[in-house]
Amino acid sequence: AQSVTQPDIHITVSEGASLELRCNYSYGATPYLFWYVQSPGQGLQLLLKYFSGDTLVQGIKGFEAEFKRSQSSFNLRKPSVHWSDAAEYFCAVGSNDYKLSFGAGTTVTVRA
Amino acid sequence: ETGVTQSPTHLIKTRGQQVTLRCSSQSGHNTVSWYQQALGQGPQFIFQYYREEENGRGNFPPRFSGLQFPNYSSELNVNALELDDSALYLCASSPEGTRPETQYFGPGTRLLVL
Repeated sequence: AQSVTQPDIHITVSEGASLELRCNYSYGATPYLFWYVQSPGQGLQLLLKYFSGDTLVQGIKGFEAEFKRSQSSFNLRKPSVHWSDAAEYFCAVGSNDYKLSFGAGTTVTVRA
Repeated sequence: ETGVTQSPTHLIKTRGQQVTLRCSSQSGHNTVSWYQQALGQGPQFIFQYYREEENGRGNFPPRFSGLQFPNYSSELNVNALELDDSALYLCASSPEGTRPETQYFGPGTRLLVL
């Protein structure tokens, strides 16, 4: 069965500082990996996705993620955080059985 | 803006009642999935529909059922509501020609069961 672990429940970062959110997955074959962002009271917005090919994936809003098969990880990064990046971030893994499995999420707080 | 809308935005029901939640997708989005997101947790897959047929189901009891219509709208029905059904319910649609795992989410319906 596929599963996702996001080790950090809550991260606080200063505006302008870099951000890295950790994601570890468990899946027997090549996974499809996703990062979503959810602002309070909103649905989920897709930031980026990895299916195959280049292991460094660029997404929207200046985010990128790197797939590391040896570490079963798909960490999300942003070089310089803006106050509007405060939200909850979810890592998800998908497969050929059509469903997404999500982690529990990481809440990001941005301080001025 | 994903083009996926959900109604109602909020709903309060009592235990034992039945509820219908609605989702409307863009034209050409013929795959729709429903997820339940309990407070403080990630979304959990309920089921998926493709061209009006159920195309997979997560670990949810039969009292959770769905329908998909030719006009790219869909419904999630929950019978015999329980307190633990209180959650944000998200629908997500996928355009034809993309992988079903690439899903665009609506804003959700927040259900409170008392």
